[in-house]
Amino acid sequence: SQKIEQNSEALNIQEGKTATLTCNYTNYSPAYLQWYRQDPGRGPVFLLLIRENEKEKRKERLKVTFDTTLKQSLFHITASQPADSATYLCALITSGTYKYIFGTGTRLKVLA
Amino acid sequence: NAGVMQNPRHLVRRRGQEARLRCSPMKGHSHVYWYRQLPEEGLKFMVYLQKENIIDESGMPKERFSAEFPKEGPSILRIQQVVRGDSAAYFCASSPPDRPEAFFGQGTRLTVV
Repeated sequence: SQKIEQNSEALNIQEGKTATLTCNYTNYSPAYLQWYRQDPGRGPVFLLLIRENEKEKRKERLKVTFDTTLKQSLFHITASQPADSATYLCALITSGTYKYIFGTGTRLKVLA
Repeated sequence: NAGVMQNPRHLVRRRGQEARLRCSPMKGHSHVYWYRQLPEEGLKFMVYLQKENIIDESGMPKERFSAEFPKEGPSILRIQQVVRGDSAAYFCASSPPDRPEAFFGQGTRLTVV
């Protein structure tokens, strides 16, 4: 069956460290993979998109990698800050569709 | 450029009433998506629309739920004869015709009492 899995347990890290979040998928062939941030009671905020033929994408302190062999994307936040505390969602789109399928998200808490 | 606008932000309905949720996409965006989110759960796809067309409604319940995106005006998600199980946050997203990035509104929180 098709699955998108993110670590359901909260991730606690110390301020200044690099946070690494994982998104694994099975039985999908995504053309794109996106990462979003969601704060309680708010809508998801788009962060980064990576295409199937890209290995890595960066934006300021954020980095996304995409390994279609491992069927995995990693999302890194370097020099993390308490303001980075939120739930992070991955979403993929398969070729020929515009349907975004979301993982359940990983809650990140950056400790001061 | 205003973001995706959803209204109302909060909606309370009694069982059996109708709920209408509105979504105005970002300027230049012709694709609209509706998602539903229950507490502590992920976003579940409901429907994908382009102007005047439903492209994919595979995530929408066959009964009581309908969606439209008319030529003029916002997209509407309509839930008839609401039940307690319809209580959730409903999010709308939009994307431009030539790019895959989707941008979300702040959601409508529907409570059925």
